[in-house]
Amino acid sequence: SQTIHQWPATLVQPVGSPLSLECTVEGTSNPNLYWYRQAAGRGLQLLFYSVGIGQISSEVPQNLSASRPQDRQFILSSKKLLLSDSGFYLCAWSSQGGNSPLHFGNGTRLTVT
Amino acid sequence: DQQVKQNSPSLSVQEGRISILNCDYTNSMFDYFLWYKKYPAEGPTFLISISSIKDKNEDGRFTVFLNKSAKHLSLHIVPSQPGDSAVYFCAAYPNSGYALNFGKGTSLLVTP
Repeated sequence: SQTIHQWPATLVQPVGSPLSLECTVEGTSNPNLYWYRQAAGRGLQLLFYSVGIGQISSEVPQNLSASRPQDRQFILSSKKLLLSDSGFYLCAWSSQGGNSPLHFGNGTRLTVT
Repeated sequence: DQQVKQNSPSLSVQEGRISILNCDYTNSMFDYFLWYKKYPAEGPTFLISISSIKDKNEDGRFTVFLNKSAKHLSLHIVPSQPGDSAVYFCAAYPNSGYALNFGKGTSLLVTP
Protein backbone atom coordinates (compact mmCIF):
# COMPACT_ATOMS: atom_id res chain seq x y z
CA SER A 1 0.00 0.00 0.00
CA GLN A 2 1.03 3.58 -0.53
CA THR A 3 2.26 5.75 2.32
CA ILE A 4 3.39 9.35 2.52
CA HIS A 5 5.84 10.65 5.06
CA GLN A 6 6.28 14.28 5.91
CA TRP A 7 8.62 15.80 8.47
CA PRO A 8 9.10 17.46 10.79
CA ALA A 9 5.67 17.55 12.42
CA THR A 10 6.29 20.90 14.06
CA LEU A 11 8.89 23.59 13.49
CA VAL A 12 9.59 26.96 15.07
CA GLN A 13 11.93 29.16 13.08
CA PRO A 14 13.02 32.79 13.43
CA VAL A 15 12.31 35.33 10.71
CA GLY A 16 15.05 35.32 8.09
CA SER A 17 16.10 31.73 8.69
CA PRO A 18 16.04 29.09 5.94
CA LEU A 19 13.45 26.34 5.63
CA SER A 20 13.51 22.80 4.32
CA LEU A 21 10.51 20.49 4.58
CA GLU A 22 10.73 17.02 3.13
CA CYS A 23 8.12 14.62 1.87
CA THR A 24 8.53 11.10 0.54
CA VAL A 25 6.04 8.67 -0.91
CA GLU A 26 6.30 4.89 -0.83
CA GLY A 27 4.46 2.20 -2.70
CA THR A 28 3.81 4.02 -5.96
CA SER A 29 5.79 5.16 -8.97
CA ASN A 30 5.74 8.45 -10.83
CA PRO A 31 3.14 10.11 -8.62
CA ASN A 32 1.98 13.68 -8.94
CA LEU A 33 3.25 15.54 -5.88
CA TYR A 34 1.83 18.64 -4.22
CA TRP A 35 2.55 21.18 -1.50
CA TYR A 36 -0.44 22.90 0.10
CA ARG A 37 -0.61 25.41 2.92
CA GLN A 38 -3.44 25.99 5.35
CA ALA A 39 -3.17 29.39 7.00
CA ALA A 40 -5.23 30.18 10.08
CA GLY A 41 -8.91 30.59 9.18
CA ARG A 42 -8.33 29.84 5.54
CA GLY A 43 -8.73 26.91 3.23
CA LEU A 44 -6.08 24.79 1.60
CA GLN A 45 -3.98 26.78 -0.81
CA LEU A 46 -1.99 25.00 -3.50
CA LEU A 47 1.62 26.18 -3.52
CA PHE A 48 3.41 23.82 -5.91
CA TYR A 49 2.78 20.67 -7.87
CA SER A 50 5.01 18.33 -9.81
CA VAL A 51 4.17 15.76 -12.45
CA GLY A 52 7.72 14.40 -12.73
CA ILE A 53 11.32 14.70 -11.59
CA GLY A 54 12.56 18.25 -11.99
CA GLN A 55 9.13 19.49 -13.14
CA ILE A 56 7.71 22.07 -10.75
CA SER A 57 4.72 24.33 -11.25
CA SER A 58 4.11 27.23 -8.91
CA GLU A 59 0.60 28.39 -8.22
CA VAL A 60 1.25 31.34 -5.96
CA PRO A 61 4.12 33.83 -6.10
CA GLN A 62 5.99 33.82 -2.81
CA ASN A 63 9.39 33.40 -1.26
CA LEU A 64 9.06 29.62 -1.18
CA SER A 65 10.44 27.16 -3.70
CA ALA A 66 10.03 23.45 -4.33
CA SER A 67 12.23 20.76 -5.77
CA ARG A 68 11.78 17.14 -6.78
CA PRO A 69 15.22 15.54 -6.83
CA GLN A 70 13.85 11.99 -6.95
CA ASP A 71 10.65 10.43 -8.23
CA ARG A 72 9.06 10.11 -4.81
CA GLN A 73 10.70 13.00 -2.95
CA PHE A 74 9.37 16.52 -2.78
CA ILE A 75 11.06 19.33 -0.88
CA LEU A 76 9.73 22.74 0.11
CA SER A 77 12.36 25.39 0.80
CA SER A 78 12.88 29.00 1.62
CA LYS A 79 16.08 31.01 1.87
CA LYS A 80 14.60 33.55 4.31
CA LEU A 81 11.37 32.97 6.17
CA LEU A 82 8.79 35.71 6.70
CA LEU A 83 6.25 35.94 9.51
CA SER A 84 3.53 35.38 6.92
CA ASP A 85 5.01 31.96 6.11
CA SER A 86 3.58 30.57 9.33
CA GLY A 87 0.97 27.91 8.70
CA PHE A 88 0.23 24.25 8.31
CA TYR A 89 2.06 22.75 5.33
CA LEU A 90 0.74 19.63 3.71
CA CYS A 91 2.37 17.36 1.18
CA ALA A 92 0.16 15.17 -1.00
CA TRP A 93 0.40 12.72 -3.83
CA SER A 94 -1.96 11.46 -6.49
CA SER A 95 -1.78 8.92 -9.28
CA GLN A 96 -0.96 10.09 -12.75
CA GLY A 97 -3.94 10.78 -14.92
CA GLY A 98 -6.91 13.01 -14.37
CA ASN A 99 -9.26 13.25 -11.45
CA SER A 100 -7.30 11.20 -8.94
CA PRO A 101 -7.89 11.86 -5.25
CA LEU A 102 -5.03 13.47 -3.40
CA HIS A 103 -3.62 11.63 -0.42
CA PHE A 104 -2.12 13.86 2.22
CA GLY A 105 0.63 13.52 4.76
CA ASN A 106 0.10 14.55 8.36
CA GLY A 107 1.45 18.03 7.81
CA THR A 108 4.07 20.32 9.34
CA ARG A 109 3.04 23.10 11.68
CA LEU A 110 5.47 25.96 10.96
CA THR A 111 5.64 28.93 13.30
CA VAL A 112 7.86 31.80 12.26
CA THR A 113 8.77 34.02 15.20
CA ASP B 1 -10.40 34.35 -6.07
CA GLN B 2 -12.22 31.56 -4.21
CA GLN B 3 -13.75 29.29 -6.84
CA VAL B 4 -14.99 26.71 -4.35
CA LYS B 5 -17.06 28.15 -1.54
CA GLN B 6 -18.26 26.67 1.69
CA ASN B 7 -20.38 29.41 3.16
CA SER B 8 -21.07 27.77 6.50
CA PRO B 9 -17.97 27.80 8.67
CA SER B 10 -19.58 25.54 11.26
CA LEU B 11 -22.46 23.15 11.77
CA SER B 12 -23.75 21.39 14.88
CA VAL B 13 -25.89 18.25 14.63
CA GLN B 14 -27.22 15.76 17.14
CA GLU B 15 -25.99 12.20 17.03
CA GLY B 16 -28.21 10.03 14.85
CA ARG B 17 -29.52 12.93 12.77
CA ILE B 18 -28.53 13.89 9.25
CA SER B 19 -25.61 16.25 8.63
CA ILE B 20 -25.77 18.25 5.40
CA LEU B 21 -22.67 20.12 4.31
CA ASN B 22 -22.95 22.45 1.36
CA CYS B 23 -20.54 23.65 -1.28
CA ASP B 24 -20.86 26.04 -4.23
CA TYR B 25 -18.47 26.57 -7.10
CA THR B 26 -18.09 29.25 -9.72
CA ASN B 27 -15.94 27.64 -12.39
CA SER B 28 -18.01 25.79 -14.99
CA MET B 29 -14.86 23.93 -16.06
CA PHE B 30 -14.86 21.93 -12.84
CA ASP B 31 -15.85 18.38 -13.64
CA TYR B 32 -14.81 16.24 -10.68
CA PHE B 33 -15.63 16.93 -7.07
CA LEU B 34 -14.31 15.50 -3.83
CA TRP B 35 -14.97 15.72 -0.12
CA TYR B 36 -12.26 15.47 2.50
CA LYS B 37 -12.40 15.12 6.25
CA LYS B 38 -9.75 16.64 8.48
CA TYR B 39 -9.00 16.20 12.17
CA PRO B 40 -6.83 18.75 14.00
CA ALA B 41 -3.08 18.42 13.40
CA GLU B 42 -3.62 15.78 10.71
CA GLY B 43 -3.76 15.84 6.94
CA PRO B 44 -7.14 15.67 5.20
CA THR B 45 -8.40 12.22 4.29
CA PHE B 46 -10.37 11.51 1.14
CA LEU B 47 -14.03 10.63 1.77
CA ILE B 48 -16.02 10.48 -1.42
CA SER B 49 -16.05 11.90 -4.93
CA ILE B 50 -18.44 12.49 -7.79
CA SER B 51 -17.99 13.06 -11.48
CA SER B 52 -19.93 15.74 -13.29
CA ILE B 53 -21.70 13.07 -15.35
CA LYS B 54 -23.47 11.87 -12.20
CA ASP B 55 -25.79 13.59 -9.75
CA LYS B 56 -25.38 11.24 -6.80
CA ASN B 57 -22.78 8.95 -5.31
CA GLU B 58 -23.13 6.88 -2.15
CA ASP B 59 -20.61 5.20 0.11
CA GLY B 60 -22.05 3.82 3.32
CA ARG B 61 -23.29 6.67 5.50
CA PHE B 62 -21.94 9.27 3.07
CA THR B 63 -23.79 10.53 0.00
CA VAL B 64 -22.72 13.35 -2.27
CA PHE B 65 -25.24 15.15 -4.47
CA LEU B 66 -24.30 17.33 -7.43
CA ASN B 67 -26.52 19.95 -9.05
CA LYS B 68 -24.56 21.16 -12.06
CA SER B 69 -27.06 23.78 -13.15
CA ALA B 70 -26.87 25.40 -9.72
CA LYS B 71 -23.13 24.75 -9.38
CA HIS B 72 -23.85 23.23 -6.02
CA LEU B 73 -22.94 20.04 -4.24
CA SER B 74 -23.71 18.68 -0.83
CA LEU B 75 -22.48 15.93 1.45
CA HIS B 76 -25.04 14.05 3.52
CA ILE B 77 -23.98 12.00 6.51
CA VAL B 78 -26.66 9.67 7.87
CA PRO B 79 -26.73 8.84 10.70
CA SER B 80 -24.23 11.29 12.15
CA GLN B 81 -21.84 9.97 14.80
CA PRO B 82 -19.62 11.81 17.30
CA GLY B 83 -16.57 10.50 15.43
CA ASP B 84 -17.73 12.47 12.40
CA SER B 85 -16.82 15.69 14.20
CA ALA B 86 -14.13 17.22 12.02
CA VAL B 87 -13.57 19.87 9.37
CA TYR B 88 -14.96 18.92 5.97
CA PHE B 89 -13.46 20.32 2.80
CA CYS B 90 -15.09 20.41 -0.59
CA ALA B 91 -12.69 20.30 -3.54
CA ALA B 92 -12.93 20.40 -7.33
CA TYR B 93 -10.78 19.58 -10.33
CA PRO B 94 -11.04 21.49 -13.58
CA ASN B 95 -11.07 19.26 -16.64
CA SER B 96 -7.52 18.56 -17.81
CA GLY B 97 -6.12 20.23 -14.70
CA TYR B 98 -3.84 19.18 -11.90
CA ALA B 99 -4.73 21.79 -9.32
CA LEU B 100 -7.35 20.60 -6.87
CA ASN B 101 -9.23 23.67 -5.62
CA PHE B 102 -10.41 23.57 -2.02
CA GLY B 103 -13.07 25.43 -0.12
CA LYS B 104 -12.34 26.92 3.29
CA GLY B 105 -13.99 24.06 5.11
CA THR B 106 -16.97 23.53 7.41
CA SER B 107 -16.41 22.44 10.98
CA LEU B 108 -18.95 19.77 11.91
CA LEU B 109 -19.72 19.02 15.55
CA VAL B 110 -21.86 15.97 16.29
CA THR B 111 -23.18 16.08 19.83
CA PRO B 112 -24.32 13.02 21.81
